[in-house]
Amino acid sequence: GQQVMQIPQYQHVQEGEDFTTYCNSSTTLSNIQWYKQRPGGHPVFLIQLVKSGEVKKQKRLTFQFGEAKKNSSLHITATQTTDVGTYFCAGGSNSGYALNFGKGTSLLVTP
Amino acid sequence: NAGVTQTPKFRILKIGQSMTLQCTQDMNHNYMYWYRQDPGMGLKLIYYSVGAGITDKGEVPNGYNVSRSTTEDFPLRLELAAPSQTSVYFCASSKVAVNTEAFFGQGTRLTVV
Repeated sequence: GQQVMQIPQYQHVQEGEDFTTYCNSSTTLSNIQWYKQRPGGHPVFLIQLVKSGEVKKQKRLTFQFGEAKKNSSLHITATQTTDVGTYFCAGGSNSGYALNFGKGTSLLVTP
Repeated sequence: NAGVTQTPKFRILKIGQSMTLQCTQDMNHNYMYWYRQDPGMGLKLIYYSVGAGITDKGEVPNGYNVSRSTTEDFPLRLELAAPSQTSVYFCASSKVAVNTEAFFGQGTRLTVV
């Protein structure tokens, strides 16, 4: 079945440094979604990418969807302490009814 | 504007006990899901439902049961609780399967001792 791999598992940065997490699927995806989970919280939707090669920005966050629709990345420019949390990618397929989540990347930002 | 509501938030069970985790949503979503989250393991799908009266197994259904008698409610039943079921459980809903965002409840932190 479809597997979604996400790296790195953990990332510790100094405030102001950039951060990137990568997501790879074993199969072609219909779309990819990104979620953020604050410590002790629940996953919250950030964005959805649907088109091959799509790039979307949300302030300091840049999301990309690969040309083959099998990989994606989330890049945060100049991290802030408010960026702390775990970032999950989740892949959807046209043959499935539920998103397939990666294991997440836990981001720690120290001032 | 409640969204997805889960109860209880915390629970401690003894081995062999049973319980039901409640989940209700007020967004009229057809699709509902139960995930469990273990440290460093992401979210694993337990069961899902595509509408009232229809449920199906996810990746890790053993030891759990669900029902979907109404659009709003999707309870998760644990029979004969085991330590391996210690986890954080999230209920989620979406309007249109995998192609729209999923809304998550606050989670239930369950410990089986």
